Amino acid sequence: EAGVTQFPSHSVIEKGQTVTLRCDPISGHDNLYWYRRVMGKEIKFLLHFVKESKQDESGMPNNRFLAERTGGTYSTLKVQPAELEDSGVYFCASSQGPGRATNEKLFFGSGTQLSVL
Amino acid sequence: KQEVTQIPAALSVPEGENLVLNCSFTDSAIYNLQWFRQDPGKGLTSLLLIQSSQREQTSGRLNASLDKSSGRSTLYIAASQPGDSATYLCAVRPNFGNEKLTFGTGTRLTIIP
Repeated sequence: EAGVTQFPSHSVIEKGQTVTLRCDPISGHDNLYWYRRVMGKEIKFLLHFVKESKQDESGMPNNRFLAERTGGTYSTLKVQPAELEDSGVYFCASSQGPGRATNEKLFFGSGTQLSVL
Repeated sequence: KQEVTQIPAALSVPEGENLVLNCSFTDSAIYNLQWFRQDPGKGLTSLLLIQSSQREQTSGRLNASLDKSSGRSTLYIAASQPGDSATYLCAVRPNFGNEKLTFGTGTRLTIIP
């Protein structure tokens, strides 16, 4: 079974540019999450999709961040325009959904290391 | 606001020893707690998930306990191996309707051959 796939694995951009991160969840997982870790801090929640709907986007830092999940499959996270403080590792995770405890385990991708110069 | 703390930030132990990693959280009203492992350059791997009604979960050489009332969880690793070297993170989920995890900053574990 393929895991959660994220690309690119690394992205280096200049301040003011636009970057789009992509996440392909495990097939059949309705829940998709974006998290990020900035230097020296803990991993923090950004938002949660259930299929194609945004269930919770309370962690999105500001309106420079836009996440989409068209068709309830893969998701993109766009940062426009990027700022220095956006640098960090962006993780995507997926899970099957509510029900049995095993369905609630989160499966994480390897992350995208974003560096804004 | 939930805060999750993991102490120590780093730990080195000789191969073969048993060890305990600690996680504490400030709000005991949690739905579940997960322990993750992260290898350098890799994503997070879920090791164990404990529901709020459970006291412990076991998988192979790993045992995680949960004392919700005191806001503590421990991850016990038996007979440590060099392959156990990684960063271990715990994360709590607040309630059934809220799937936003709050993470600790992790403990970086090194097993010395």
